[in-house]
Amino acid sequence: SQQGEEDPQALSIQEGENATMNCSYKTSINNLQWYRQNSGRGLVHLILIRSNEREKHSGRLRVTLDTSKKSSSLLITASRAADTASYFCATMDTGRRALTFGSGTRLQVQP
Amino acid sequence: EPEVTQTPSHQVTQMGQEVILRCVPISNHLYFYWYRQILGQKVEFLVSFYNNEISEKSEIFDDQFSVERPDGSNFTLKIRSTKLEDSAMYFCASGGTSGIQETQYFGPGTRLLVL
Repeated sequence: SQQGEEDPQALSIQEGENATMNCSYKTSINNLQWYRQNSGRGLVHLILIRSNEREKHSGRLRVTLDTSKKSSSLLITASRAADTASYFCATMDTGRRALTFGSGTRLQVQP
Repeated sequence: EPEVTQTPSHQVTQMGQEVILRCVPISNHLYFYWYRQILGQKVEFLVSFYNNEISEKSEIFDDQFSVERPDGSNFTLKIRSTKLEDSAMYFCASGGTSGIQETQYFGPGTRLLVL
């Protein structure tokens, strides 16, 4: 998991398969956000889930949040080669504006 | 779709020199941020800016750093005397159209190399 432990740090799958990435955190949060970063490029916002939400969907993305376990997961369904990137979770702690990023999961989708 | 833009995309400077990194946030956003990412490491928060003043800063953001919104569109990060360890990708972000902001939209980054 991110923010300390990656789960996994790297993931290689075939096109069409699902990819699941996990993130753990240690603080009290307002929300948790997922970003994608292509190699050496900027951060693209994917989805935001608030602390009072348990699950959220956006297209092929499904995010869950378990505040009792302080963990989140990002599921990408029916992956494509274009999904190859690093994926980061970032938390916005209660009372703060700053995002705290995890170490990321490097996803490789083989065509 | 509106985007955060940053200039330059790459900057090479000598140690001890001053650099100014520029950002144009999304036009109706109220909160502005700088983050950095040293090669191979996590993205780290530097500073947030709201209502023409710093609202939060990290311990990385020491006296060598300053931010400014010189006009209605630009947001700058100045490093007064660069060090080798300042070499990183610097990201500007903006967010929030009301008193509560959440999603932060990032620019493409400026890659700074200090020699």
